Parts: sequence; C-alpha cells; structure tokens
Amino acid sequence: EDKVVQSPLSLVVHEGDTVTLNCSYEVTNFRSLLWYKQEKKAPTFLFMLTSSGIEKKSGRLSSILDKKELFSILNITATQTGDSAIYLCAVGTNAGKSTFGDGTTLTVKP
Amino acid sequence: DGGITQSPKYLFRKEGQNVTLSCEQNLNHDAMYWYRQDPGQGLRLIYYSQIVNDFQKGDIAEGYSVSREKKESFPLTVTSAQKNPTAFYLCASSLQGGFGANVLTFGAGSRLTVL
Repeated sequence: EDKVVQSPLSLVVHEGDTVTLNCSYEVTNFRSLLWYKQEKKAPTFLFMLTSSGIEKKSGRLSSILDKKELFSILNITATQTGDSAIYLCAVGTNAGKSTFGDGTTLTVKP
Repeated sequence: DGGITQSPKYLFRKEGQNVTLSCEQNLNHDAMYWYRQDPGQGLRLIYYSQIVNDFQKGDIAEGYSVSREKKESFPLTVTSAQKNPTAFYLCASSLQGGFGANVLTFGAGSRLTVL
C-alpha cells in the first residue's frame, strides 16, 4: 500500500521565522512528488518534483527531493501570517493515482 | 475561466438516504478524482477515472459509487452503505500524461453532514 508521512503535524511560529516541513514516502511506480497549500477549501499547487537533488524555488518557498532516501522538504523563509495554512504532500504514480499525507498545519503569529 | 465546479457546497442528509455530489470541469482534463478529507487528516482517494466510461476504486471506495459518462462530469454518490459519511469532499482533475500529469486542480469542495 502506498504511504506518505508528513511531519510535524502542526507547527506554530512567529513572523520572520524559517520553517522546514518534511515528507517521506513509500510508493510503487513513483512518478512525482507534489506540494499543495490549503488555506480554506481547495488545495492549490505549489511544486512538482521529479528529479533528485534539484531545488524548486518560488519566492520564499523552496523544495527539494531525495529519491534515494525517499523524502522531500519544503522550506519557507521569512514567514508571514499569510503563510498560515495546511501544507499537503502528495506522491503521484505512473498509474495516475496521487496519495496524500495528513498535512502539516502551519500557524504564523504576528 | 477554466476550473472545476462542485455542487452543492453544503449538504445535509438524514441517515439512510443516498446523496449525489456534482463535479464539472471545463479544463479539458482527461483524469478526474474524488477525495475525502476529515478534520486533522489529509486527503483520501475514493475513486478516480482516467478516461470516459472507465474508473477505478481508490483506497476508501466502500459505500460510494461514481459514473463517468462525459469527459466534463464525474458525479459521486454517497450511499446509505457508507457508515460515516460526514466529511469534506473534494473533486479534482488533471492531465492524463505529459508534464502536467499528477498535478491536480481542485474544486472548492462539498461539505456533507449526516443528521
């Protein structure tokens, strides 16, 4: 059975802090690892990683994948209150199926 | 604007009743998915479909049924056999292959409450 584990499950920081969210996985026929942000209802896409060791970056967010150790991290620098959300990690397979972790709930206090 | 429309946003149901959640997309995506989200948990896959007239069970298909008669539509029926149906239901779609495969676009969700 495909499995995705995220840690920590919740995190409270203050504005300006840097956070690292973790995602480990065990899946059959890995194709890609994806990060989503869920603020209220619909998750929105952040990154897709398919190759090991190549960092994806968008503003203050960055992510990297290690296919040998089967994990990924999502970094957020200089956090803002608008970064408060649930961050979901998902792994997509060649069969077209995506398996999600339980998410990390990030709260950024002013 | 292209996107996914789910309806209704909120739904109340009595025990023993079937209910159907609608999902329509105009993104021309081949693949469509239904996920369930419970408080404090991630998304769990109910059913998915990669092509019209074909669909596969996900991890928690028991008590649910779907159809895929049109590319744009993927309705989900929550039957009375689903023991704990109160949850937030998310529909998603994606390209079938190529670079965009596995990148999901989500609808705004439907919150079902069983009274």
